[in-house]
Amino acid sequence: EPEVTQTPSHQVTQMGQEVILRCVPISNHLYFYWYRQILGQKVEFLVSFYNNEISEKSEIFDDQFSVERPDGSNFTLKIRSTKLEDSAMYFCASIARGWVNTEAFFGQGTRLTVV
Amino acid sequence: DQQVKQNSPSLSVQEGRISILNCDYTNSMFDYFLWYKKYPAEGPTFLISISSIKDKNEDGRFTVFLNKSAKHLSLHIVPSQPGDSAVYFCAASAGETSGSRLTFGEGTQLTVNP
Repeated sequence: EPEVTQTPSHQVTQMGQEVILRCVPISNHLYFYWYRQILGQKVEFLVSFYNNEISEKSEIFDDQFSVERPDGSNFTLKIRSTKLEDSAMYFCASIARGWVNTEAFFGQGTRLTVV
Repeated sequence: DQQVKQNSPSLSVQEGRISILNCDYTNSMFDYFLWYKKYPAEGPTFLISISSIKDKNEDGRFTVFLNKSAKHLSLHIVPSQPGDSAVYFCAASAGETSGSRLTFGEGTQLTVNP
């Protein structure tokens, strides 16, 4: 069964460093997302991406964050200068179709630890 | 942001009995609702969804009920199995397309005892 894959599974970084989280969405999907879950809190929307541009972003997704789809398969989330409060599980998700409500498929997540 | 709320952080049921997980929402623009299951160290896995034009959707042991007037939905699992033990998230989206963001509830930890 097709799945969303994320790498790495766990990333430890020093505060102020840049990190890039990688995702390979399901191949025929059109919409791509990043969500995060801080330990003990809700899963929160960060950004959605469609047709090679950001379609929606939350207030969390400030100038320190960026997303890119550099080729036909990868979808990346970059955090330019990490802060302690960026420590969380980051989930990539994708959706197949754009005109009918349908479920989002999530990757297994990347645990980001900022020290 | 309390647009989607799951008031029960945990629920414990006996194997074979019914599990009922509840979710309330406040945003009347939500028109599509989903339930996800999550195991530790894994991503959310889609279980079942319902459009706002329906009040019930059934898939095997899982049934989701939607009460629009009360802005309430519930997930029924019957019969419950030990493998159902996980965190269950309610999620909702607004808009006519599937590109809209999902807003999640806090999750309910379901434990099914053998």
